[in-house]
Amino acid sequence: DAKTTQPNSMESNEEEPVHLPCNHSTISGTDYIHWYRQLPSQGPEYVIHGLTSNVNNRMASLAIAEDRKSSTLILHRATLRDAAVYYCILPTDSGAGSYQLTFGKGTKLSVIP
Amino acid sequence: DSGVTQTPKHLITATGQRVTLRCSPRSGDLSVYWYQQSLDQGLQFLIQYYNGEERAKGNILERFSAQQFPDLHSELNLSSLELGDSALYFCASSVAEAYGYTFGSGTRLTVV
Repeated sequence: DAKTTQPNSMESNEEEPVHLPCNHSTISGTDYIHWYRQLPSQGPEYVIHGLTSNVNNRMASLAIAEDRKSSTLILHRATLRDAAVYYCILPTDSGAGSYQLTFGKGTKLSVIP
Repeated sequence: DSGVTQTPKHLITATGQRVTLRCSPRSGDLSVYWYQQSLDQGLQFLIQYYNGEERAKGNILERFSAQQFPDLHSELNLSSLELGDSALYFCASSVAEAYGYTFGSGTRLTVV
């Protein structure tokens, strides 16, 4: 299984942009890159995913390196509600269109008021 | 509300007992996944079902079992409970990789 490497923790000031890095040097050509986050006392929440091109949605942007060996989750203006553990994951194909997520330790993001 | 419903929200039981956790997936999702999250282990994948059939197994103990019913809801059965089984148990569902997983709010199991 392709692995990801993330910093254990990061800090950001409120209302400033946050760039959360992820390295996945063993990624294969068909591996999607998914990001999830888990707020305290809640279940994980899907944030964004991509394959090759940069992606934007209402929550965040995902910048994927040209060689796909790294990616960066961008929160454009951090709020206190964004304080969470962020997970970068390469789903594993379970067969017949289904897939499996293996969570690592993620990056704990603290947002300073 | 994520659309994935887990019951009960909290469960306290004694060692040696058996419990059943229930999960109703989001409408239209065929895959159901179970995860265990304890303080020292993080989120651990237990098992996946797809349209009623077991699709993948993770770190699931032999004392644990699961099934997915024809209406696609799933149950996770935990037996001969030990103190170390105290954890949050999450269920997630998905329709396809392009749409990500949707997680429920979890069942907090406390074994005393």
